[in-house]
Amino acid sequence: NAGVMQNPRHLVRRRGQEARLRCSPMKGHSHVYWYRQLPEEGLKFMVYLQKENIIDESGMPKERFSAEFPKEGPSILRIQQVVRGDSAAYFCASSPTGPRVGIYGYTFGSGTRLTVV
Amino acid sequence: AQTVTQSQPEMSVQEAETVTLSCTYDTSESDYYLFWYKQPPSRQMILVIRQEAYKQQNATENRFSVNFQKAAKSFSLKISDSQLGDAAMYFCAYRSATDSNYQLIWGAGTKLIIKP
Repeated sequence: NAGVMQNPRHLVRRRGQEARLRCSPMKGHSHVYWYRQLPEEGLKFMVYLQKENIIDESGMPKERFSAEFPKEGPSILRIQQVVRGDSAAYFCASSPTGPRVGIYGYTFGSGTRLTVV
Repeated sequence: AQTVTQSQPEMSVQEAETVTLSCTYDTSESDYYLFWYKQPPSRQMILVIRQEAYKQQNATENRFSVNFQKAAKSFSLKISDSQLGDAAMYFCAYRSATDSNYQLIWGAGTKLIIKP
C-alpha cells in the first residue's frame, strides 16, 4: 500500500521558468492538501483540493501559483515564472474523505525540494 | 489566529538518555488537537504522537510521551532512551477540532541531535 508519492524529489529551475510538482495520494484518497516549508520554518498551508475541485486556496499566493486535482492522475502544483523566494520544500498530504480525518494526523509525502537559481 | 511556538531551535542528548522538547501554542478555542511530527533527513514527515485537548490523560507511544498542560497551553514531547534513529527535526502542530478549520498550524521546529 504505497503512501503519498511526490515527484520529483528535487527540482531545479532558473528564474522565470515554470515548476510542476506532482502528488499522487494514497490509494482510495480523494482529498489532497499542499503545504510549503520555507528554510528554518514549519509548514504553511497552501491549498486543499478534492477531485476536480479547489476547496480552499486561501494559503496560495494570488499570482503565479495554481493547483489542480483532475479526475484521473495526480494533483499538480504549478508555479509559473519562478523567483528565488519560491525555493522551498513543498509537501502534499491526502485523506480518504473530508479533512476531519486529519484529526488523526495527515499522511504526508516526502516532499519536493524546489531550488530556483 | 492560532500560533505555535517552539523556542528551542536545537537540542542535543546523549544516546540512551531522556530529552524533552518544548512547544507552546496560543488559541481561544477549547477543542483542538496537538501533534508532534518527526522529519528525518529523508524529509518524510512522520506522525509521532497526537493529543486531543479534551483528554486530560497524556498521550504515550512507546518511548514517546507528552506533557499536555492545557491551562498553560504547553505541549512538550519527552523522548526516553534516546536512539540514534531519533535524530531529526521535530515539529509541533495544532489543529482545530472544527471541521471547517482544518489547517495544521506548525511551529518552526527543533533539531534533535543524538550523541553516541
